[in-house]
This record gives sequence, structure tokens and C-alpha cells, in this order.
Amino acid sequence: EVQLVESGGGLIKPGGSLRLSCVASGFTFSNAWLTWVRQAPGKGLEWVGRIKSKTDGETTDYAEPVKGRFTISRDDSKNTLYLQMNSLKAEDTAVYYCLSSGWYFDSWGQGTLVTVSS
Amino acid sequence: DIQMTQSPSSVPASVGDRVTITCRASQGISSWLAWYQQKPGKAPKLLIYAASTLQSGVPSRFSGSGSGTDFTLTISSLQPEDFATYYCQQASSFPLTFGGGTKVEIK
Repeated sequence: EVQLVESGGGLIKPGGSLRLSCVASGFTFSNAWLTWVRQAPGKGLEWVGRIKSKTDGETTDYAEPVKGRFTISRDDSKNTLYLQMNSLKAEDTAVYYCLSSGWYFDSWGQGTLVTVSS
Repeated sequence: DIQMTQSPSSVPASVGDRVTITCRASQGISSWLAWYQQKPGKAPKLLIYAASTLQSGVPSRFSGSGSGTDFTLTISSLQPEDFATYYCQQASSFPLTFGGGTKVEIK
């Protein structure tokens, strides 16, 4: 069974930085393309970005609103996905989910809430 | 970017009703479409992928159809546990994009 456990969320001031982690199990992590999706309170779902597997070049793609501020990385030895978030804005306030695919998302964790507020 | 437009934004319905939700892509996405169900305070759940393939464990009252730019999600006979918000998502090209959601609520 796929399990995804996100952590690292919290309250942060505008302009601050935060790193989210996602520990995964139940699938071959090193072969997977991995994705971050977020959901602002009371709003819809928004794709944040994804990272390919090492064999596919470990390249990343990002949504326009976070490009240049967010960085996705992975540590296959720890089955862990990261989201480094810099220069945070109020509009980044959301629950952040990590996902074990690049296209369709059949396994979701509980998410971690990031609140950007002064 | 491909824009995904869902309609209606909300649909009042009763148990036993047939409910249809539509999703339109701003450009052709072949069959690269998924549908998700989300209940308050919970993560989304994948219902259908590749436009019409039912995810394992999802009841057969859910069905999806369409290709190109126009897609539908149908619930053939609404059950109490189906009151939720539904999202479509295109997987044809990056950035992946979601529809704005359709809330199925009690009439």
C-alpha cells in the first residue's frame, strides 16, 4: 500500500522560507516521478510542480506562480521528496500534498498546512 | 497552459438522482483526463483516469466519457456518500491543470 506522509508545514511570515518533506513507502520510490499539489483554504486544487526519476534525468517543472521561488528535490536513499519554498507570499497559504506520480494521482497523503501571514 | 472549465459549479441533487458534470479543455487533450472526489477535510480521491477508466475499488455508478475537449462524469444513482466536490484534471501537458470544481449538494 502506498503511503505518503507530508511534514514541515506551519506559520511563516511573508518573505520567509520553509522546507516541506514527504516520506514515501509502498512503491519503488527511485523509479517514480513525484509531484506537489496544493489547495488554498476553500479553493480548488493547484499543481505546483514535479520531479522526474533519476533515470529520466531528475528534471523539474514548476507552475508559473512558484517558478523561481520553489525548488523540488528528492533523496532516493531516504525515500523522501522535498519542497523548498522561498520568498513566501500570502497566496502560498495552502495545504500541500505530495503525490507518487507525474500524471494521475491515486494515492494522497494527509497534506501539510502552510500559512503565510504576518 | 490548458484551461479546464467545469460546469455547473454546484448541483443540488437528491439520493437516487442521475448527476452529470461536464469539463471542457481549452485545447484538445485526447483522453488524458482524470476525475477526483473530495469530501470536506479530506484529500481528493481518484475516481476515473484516461477519461473513462474506473479506478480500482470505485463503485460502478461512476462513469466517465469524452475525448478531445469535452468530458463528462456521470453518477448514475446518487448515494448519500457521493455528496462531495468533484474535480477534473488534464494530464496531457505540463503544467497539469484542474477544473474549478463542482459541488454536489443536497437538494
